[in-house]
Amino acid sequence: AQSVTQPDIHITVSEGASLELRCNYSYGATPYLFWYVQSPGQGLQLLLKYFSGDTLVQGIKGFEAEFKRSQSSFNLRKPSVHWSDAAEYFCAVGSSGGSYIPTFGRGTSLIVHP
Amino acid sequence: GAGVSQSPSNKVTEKGKDVELRCDPISGHTALYWYRQSLGQGLEFLIYFQGNSAPDKSGLPSDRFSAERTGGSVSTLTIQRTQQEDSAVYLCASSLKSGGVGNEQFFGPGTRLTVL
Repeated sequence: AQSVTQPDIHITVSEGASLELRCNYSYGATPYLFWYVQSPGQGLQLLLKYFSGDTLVQGIKGFEAEFKRSQSSFNLRKPSVHWSDAAEYFCAVGSSGGSYIPTFGRGTSLIVHP
Repeated sequence: GAGVSQSPSNKVTEKGKDVELRCDPISGHTALYWYRQSLGQGLEFLIYFQGNSAPDKSGLPSDRFSAERTGGSVSTLTIQRTQQEDSAVYLCASSLKSGGVGNEQFFGPGTRLTVL
């Protein structure tokens, strides 16, 4: 069965600092990987996704993530955080075919200090 | 529609009452998912529809929970005899298809359910 681990429940950074949110997955084949962001009172918005090809994926709002098969990781990065990035971030893994039920991590809450 | 919509946005009910939560997916999306998000928790999968059928109901927490989808579009999640532990945000998502490329999920804003 597939699983996702987000080791950090909370991350606090200063505005303008760089950011890396960790995500580790467990899946037997090539995974489909996603990062979503959830602002307070909102649904989830897709930041970026990895299906195949280039392992460095660019997303919206200046985010990027790198798929590292050897480490079973798909960490999310941003070079300079803005106060508006404060939100909950979810990593998810999906299967490449068949009945698709994505598995979500528990989320990482990002706090941005001015 | 332009995105996934859910109604109501907020629902307050008394313990023991039944509630219905509605989800309107993006037009043309064949797959539809319901999740529950309790305070400070991640997403708990409830049920998944492919068209009007539900191949996977494994996440429904009890027989008080049921869901249906009609016309391959609108879905309703029903909770009977609500309990306080049912209080949560219920999220709906749809995707163009299930499995493989194209299964990117689009989420609605959620329904916040409070059971008093």
